[in-house]
Amino acid sequence: NAGVTQTPKFQVLKTGQSMTLQCAQDMNHNSMYWYRQDPGMGLRLIYYSASEGTTDKGEVPNGYNVSRLNKREFSLRLESAAPSQTSVYFCASRGRGANTEAFFGQGTRLTVV
Amino acid sequence: GDSVTQMEGPVTLSEEAFLTINCTYTATGYPSLFWYVQYPGEGLQLLLKATKADDKGSNKGFEATYRKETTSFHLEKGSVQVSDSAVYFCALTPYGGSQGNLIFGKGTKLSVKP
Repeated sequence: NAGVTQTPKFQVLKTGQSMTLQCAQDMNHNSMYWYRQDPGMGLRLIYYSASEGTTDKGEVPNGYNVSRLNKREFSLRLESAAPSQTSVYFCASRGRGANTEAFFGQGTRLTVV
Repeated sequence: GDSVTQMEGPVTLSEEAFLTINCTYTATGYPSLFWYVQYPGEGLQLLLKATKADDKGSNKGFEATYRKETTSFHLEKGSVQVSDSAVYFCALTPYGGSQGNLIFGKGTKLSVKP
């Protein structure tokens, strides 16, 4: 029972490089999310996708793009990484209904130097 | 907009002490309320939830009651263990927001000493 799988777990980038964080869920969930976690800031929503084919901006979308490739996969792309994007990134998914539980991946620790 | 405010940490307790972590929210209508826990090096996982006023969520000895009149959802445990050391997040989904945002507080780090 894999749940939510994120890759990679760790990544170091140079300023200006690009990369894509991958996320896949096997629970047939409609909603998927990308958060970043920074010390003292809690979890901040970058983008979310309420269903296949739709994406919406969250609290901190600048510098990121997303793709909901299909129902299972939701990727996050950094086109030109900046040191301010050093963070831990979490993908999550949730089923239908306001009271349903969100399931989280293990996180990607990204450092931009 | 909707928001969650939880007490600043870190909180340090001795084993078997009583725990309270305060959480208040701002939202229209009747949001669903959650507590998530993050153990070191891991993602978040659901600890408990409540979906309507006066509901009590409970799990692993933790409890929280949905108080509409005070817009609060405080987390309590009568006797903490070292294994409870983690970061705790209060969260809500807005009323009617079946597929929308899941809004988190900033988290409270709990350390339990033997």
